[in-house]
Amino acid sequence: QVQLVESGGGVVQPGRSLRLSCAASGFTFSSYGMHWVRQAPGKGLEWVAVISFDGSNKYYADSVKGRFTVSRDSSKNTFYLQMNSLRVEDTAVYYCAKDRSGYPHSFDYWGQGTLVTVSS
Amino acid sequence: SSELTQDPAVSVALGQTVRITCQGDSLRRYYASWYQQKPGQAPVLVIYGKNNRPSGIPDRFSGSSSGNTASLTITGAQAEDEADYYCNSRDSSGNYVVFGGGTKLTVL
Repeated sequence: QVQLVESGGGVVQPGRSLRLSCAASGFTFSSYGMHWVRQAPGKGLEWVAVISFDGSNKYYADSVKGRFTVSRDSSKNTFYLQMNSLRVEDTAVYYCAKDRSGYPHSFDYWGQGTLVTVSS
Repeated sequence: SSELTQDPAVSVALGQTVRITCQGDSLRRYYASWYQQKPGQAPVLVIYGKNNRPSGIPDRFSGSSSGNTASLTITGAQAEDEADYYCNSRDSSGNYVVFGGGTKLTVL
């Protein structure tokens, strides 16, 4: 069965960096676009970034553009979010999610989320 | 990027029908997807495309679209349907994804 498992969250000071990982299994990882979506405490869902199935295209929300970078390693079936220059407002649960084939903004599987807390 | 607008809260009596709406200019071009999220859990896809349900989603969930408005309808709401519901779609460029602000559904 499809599984997405995030890791790498934690407490970090403003201005520092953190890298999140999303380990995928149960599907052909190299065939699907992958997304990061975050949810601040008590708030709604916010799309963060996408990387295409082959890594050739990457897009970012305006709120993270220039600070966050997505990447993927198909040899490890893992997808990453490098977060630099972190801000207090980046505090959220970060979910990785998989595209549904043929429906690139329909996320049919989600990880359990990893909490990132940015605080001094 | 474009925005998607949802009513913050909606309530429905047990067994009745409820419609949750999502408005945005990009919906004239792209279908919305709908997600259910219960407290402390990851979102779950309930509707995608024109009106498609993933495996395991009850058929009381349906989707529709007209102009700039997408709707999620629950026909015969159950207590377990009480949750937050989010729509998402593409923005006008087609490269970015946008979420609505979410609707909290209360089943009375």
